[in-house]
Amino acid sequence: QQQVKQSPQSLIVQKGGISIINCAYENTAFDYFPWYQQFPGKGPALLIAIRPDVSEKKEGRFTISFNKSAKQFSLHIMDSQPGDSATYFCAASLETSGSRLTFGEGTQLTVNP
Amino acid sequence: GAVVSQHPSWVICKSGTSVKIECRSLDFQATTMFWYRQFPKQSLMLMATSNEGSKATYEQGVEKDKFLINHASLTLSTLTVTSAHPEDSSFYICSASRGGKQYFGPGTRLTVT
Repeated sequence: QQQVKQSPQSLIVQKGGISIINCAYENTAFDYFPWYQQFPGKGPALLIAIRPDVSEKKEGRFTISFNKSAKQFSLHIMDSQPGDSATYFCAASLETSGSRLTFGEGTQLTVNP
Repeated sequence: GAVVSQHPSWVICKSGTSVKIECRSLDFQATTMFWYRQFPKQSLMLMATSNEGSKATYEQGVEKDKFLINHASLTLSTLTVTSAHPEDSSFYICSASRGGKQYFGPGTRLTVT
């Protein structure tokens, strides 16, 4: 019930291409879905987040698409750059849980120049 | 805003000794902080939830007597790894909750020799 499944495990994209990472959740009570970016040896940084009352949120080159009925959400990185090479984690939480996050397994993104 | 720091960034200790890791929210007050452990190429594993002025809530399988957590103020939580062993070597990351979002520290690399 608390799991968040993330795919793919790794992704290689050419510079300028679109990177797409998918997540699926089970607990329909989740009400907050953030994406984190993590560089090696660093802590995760909040990238973008969405709540289930909207189907899409865009911030710069990063877009979250949210499908409530399918219990899925995805991160799209447009015009991917080598500097985007990092590990990306999706997560989900219940606001009533005090923002306790359930993380996906992570996706290692490599953007080739 | 929402900056979280950790100290030290890396530490090497001998087996059997204890080591303390500090987590501070620099520009906001956090009633709730979280401690995670991360192994190479894996996701973040929540160890415990720390609430200011009360005992920490540990996740199943985490030894509370080995990983002592103290949340003494609204800006400081500490994790003490007691009687450390080589298998405790890992990347420890804290986060602080603000407005329903979690902001992560840069992590502490612990190596037990």
